[in-house]
Amino acid sequence: NAGVTQTPKFQVLKTGQSMTLQCAQDMNHEYMSWYRQDPGMGLRLIHYSVGAGITDQGEVPNGYNVSRSTTEDFPLRLLSAAPSQTSVYFCASSYDRGSSEQFFGPGTRLTVL
Amino acid sequence: KQEVTQIPAALSVPEGENLVLNCSFTDSAIYNLQWFRQDPGKGLTSLLLIQSSQREQTSGRLNASLDKSSGRSTLYIAASQPGDSATYLCAVSKLTGNQFYFGTGTSLTVIP
Repeated sequence: NAGVTQTPKFQVLKTGQSMTLQCAQDMNHEYMSWYRQDPGMGLRLIHYSVGAGITDQGEVPNGYNVSRSTTEDFPLRLLSAAPSQTSVYFCASSYDRGSSEQFFGPGTRLTVL
Repeated sequence: KQEVTQIPAALSVPEGENLVLNCSFTDSAIYNLQWFRQDPGKGLTSLLLIQSSQREQTSGRLNASLDKSSGRSTLYIAASQPGDSATYLCAVSKLTGNQFYFGTGTSLTVIP
């Protein structure tokens, strides 16, 4: 199993550009989520999904969109990048939402100029 | 909202010492608590998962305990090694809602 994979590893954007961060898992997990990690603020939940076709907002959803058309994939879209979105983004998955272990991808380091 | 706090923010110990990392949370209605390790520039690696009905979990030199009533968990590392140097994060999932809540972590340095 590859576990949770994320692409790209690094990305530099200009303000106003859009892009999609990719996340995939091969563990048949129902629950997937996106976090951003900023110095001194810990990990904050952006969006999550409890299964294909079902998504919901987390703590900091503004400026981001998600969709879940398959169990395996959960892309995160930045609609119009802003410098405040400079961060490290992590995708995670687990068998269900509450009782099982979370597995994390290696992260995408995004810089918005 | 669930608040998760980890104290201290940083800890430096000599090799071989036993140590305890602390995690506290404000809402005791949780599904589970998970401890992670994060190396610089890397993702999070799961260390231990404690279900709400459990009191502790052990893996090798690591032992995690959970006291739901007081909103506390500890991660005990025995006979620390330089390779244990990393940031340690705890996260809790609540019974209601679909979110996991993270602490800001404890940065551990084990000095050879």
